Amino acid sequence: QQQVKQSPQSLIVQKGGISIINCAYENTAFDYFPWYQQFPGKGPALLIAIRPDVSEKKEGRFTISFNKSAKQFSLHIMDSQPGDSATYFCAASRDTGRRALTFGSGTRLQVQP
Amino acid sequence: GAGVSQTPSNKVTEKGKYVELRCDPISGHTALYWYRQSLGQGPEFLIYFQGTGAADDSGLPNDRFFAVRPEGSVSTLKIQRTERGDSAVYLCASGGQGAGELFFGEGSRLTVL
Repeated sequence: QQQVKQSPQSLIVQKGGISIINCAYENTAFDYFPWYQQFPGKGPALLIAIRPDVSEKKEGRFTISFNKSAKQFSLHIMDSQPGDSATYFCAASRDTGRRALTFGSGTRLQVQP
Repeated sequence: GAGVSQTPSNKVTEKGKYVELRCDPISGHTALYWYRQSLGQGPEFLIYFQGTGAADDSGLPNDRFFAVRPEGSVSTLKIQRTERGDSAVYLCASGGQGAGELFFGEGSRLTVL
């Protein structure tokens, strides 16, 4: 059972544009929702995370929007840059992140100059 | 070290052989996770240690997989009678007490011929 569904699988955006990646989860016990960025040959690195008591969190050009009733959350990358080209994974966890993360299948983002 | 260190970075073995993968977490981190990442997929949880004990091993696919963390620091993932389907990147992550960010190593790429 895939507990976190991520879309799209790949995304091409022009420099300066907005990149939007969506995730949906099934387990209502999840209470911690991070996004990880992964470059080829590297391990995933935490980008930004949100807990369900807020509907939006912004850090620089990165924003998470969270819809608890729909069990969906999304990552918005504003003013996308070629250096943002990477694979992005949403994830979810129980017990405010103290439990194992369940990852989505990933979105390969390519930002064209 | 400054980050999570994994060795070897690459391991090629033959079907049926035994392999060990090592993870050296960030100093002082009590939580240690093993994940497996197949090509084009998100990391898949294998096992979680809190200190020396395995707090959650529900992700281990079968009894050929085993992991230890005898002194609460370095961990070793052990795979017996390797199969071609075990080929993947094995990621280790560590975290401090409390909820939140996991720091991933660059992974050990295992290829079973």
